Amino acid sequence: KNQVEQSPQSLIILEGKNCTLQCNYTVSPFSNLRWYKQDTGRGPVSLTIMTFSENTKSNGRYTATLDADTKQSSLHITASQLSDSASYICVVRSTSGTYKYIFGTGTRLKVLA
Amino acid sequence: EAQVTQNPRYLITVTGKKLTVTCSQNMNHEYMSWYRQDPGLGLRQIYYSMNVEVTDKGDVPEGYKVSRKEKRNFPLILESPSPNQTSLYFCASSLGGPGTEAFFGQGTRLTVV
Repeated sequence: KNQVEQSPQSLIILEGKNCTLQCNYTVSPFSNLRWYKQDTGRGPVSLTIMTFSENTKSNGRYTATLDADTKQSSLHITASQLSDSASYICVVRSTSGTYKYIFGTGTRLKVLA
Repeated sequence: EAQVTQNPRYLITVTGKKLTVTCSQNMNHEYMSWYRQDPGLGLRQIYYSMNVEVTDKGDVPEGYKVSRKEKRNFPLILESPSPNQTSLYFCASSLGGPGTEAFFGQGTRLTVV
């Protein structure tokens, strides 16, 4: 069964600290993996997209890694800011089916001053 | 400004009263889709459309209808809403290729009483 699991479910850190969010997937065949940031009550906004051949991709203070062999991805946030408080969703696209995305349930991050 | 616009943002309705949630995008995207987001379940795809007059079921299509008469619009129709359709709904659009970014609307919070 195609699944995307994220950990931890929630995380609280102090402003300025780094953190790493995890995503494990069992989706096959794999096309690409995306990380989205979703502010409360708003639509998700794309942070990174990685294909099979990409190991790492950065977007400012956000760095995503992908290990396609172990089917794991991580999102590292450097020097966190209060505005980083949001849910972070890992999404895997399968090449099976024309337009199939499998969403994780997200990690809810809270950054405290 | 490139955007996906949903209306209304909030809606409270009664069981059985037909309603339509509109979605419009101004990016000339071919692919559009509807998702619902419920606590602990993540986003689940309801319906998607690959182009005008081409629609297909996602993971949770029961109780919903869609139409794609124009490229820019993709309304979601609930013919006879029930309380279990109380949820946060998102419309998304993309160019459709495997590596293309999906843009999400701001969401519609629907309550069926």
